[in-house]
Amino acid sequence: EVQLVESGGGLVQPGGSLRLSCAASGFTFSSYWMHWVRQAPGKGLVWVSRINSDGSSTNYADSVKGRFTISRDNAKNTLYLQMNSLRAEDTAVYYCARKTDGSGWWFDYWGQGTLVTVSS
Amino acid sequence: DIVMTQSPDSLAVSLGERATINCKSSQSVLYSSNNKNYLAWYQQKAGQPPQLLIYWASTREFGVPDRFSGSGSGTDFTLTISSLQAEDVAVYYCQQYYGTPETFGQGTKVEIK
Repeated sequence: EVQLVESGGGLVQPGGSLRLSCAASGFTFSSYWMHWVRQAPGKGLVWVSRINSDGSSTNYADSVKGRFTISRDNAKNTLYLQMNSLRAEDTAVYYCARKTDGSGWWFDYWGQGTLVTVSS
Repeated sequence: DIVMTQSPDSLAVSLGERATINCKSSQSVLYSSNNKNYLAWYQQKAGQPPQLLIYWASTREFGVPDRFSGSGSGTDFTLTISSLQAEDVAVYYCQQYYGTPETFGQGTKVEIK
């Protein structure tokens, strides 16, 4: 059974940092692109970042470029999101999601999410 | 970025009746080389992560009930729930994966009338 379990969320002051983790199991993690998608309270889904299967290629939404860094450790089956210079508008539930295999770019599995609150 | 606009924002439907959600993209998401529409639909129940329903605009994910169907091409798409069940109360999102970044509609909330 595919499982994605996020951790690392919490309350942080503006300008602070957090590192989110997503532990994957039930599939060959090293074969899949992975993504972070966030959802502000009561709002819709917004794509944040992606990383290819071996970690050599990454992309970011303009809103987080230069502040967030996505990475992965395929030996540990874990995806990360290092978030620096956090702002109030970064407050959201952060989901890790798996890109389906093949030519499609939809997300076939999602974690339960971890809440990040940026507030003084 | 490709902007995805859903309508309506919310709708209330009686049990057993049809629910129809529309999704419009700001540019075509039909890839001419393979004639596929790069569009997916997700269901998000309260307090849960999104769950994939449909991809390639009309292909149901394994295990999704056949009362859910997707249609449309180019810039205009529809998700139809043919006979609404109580467990279908949720917010539904369309997502395009034709362009980068992948973008979502704002969501449509479906409730029971």
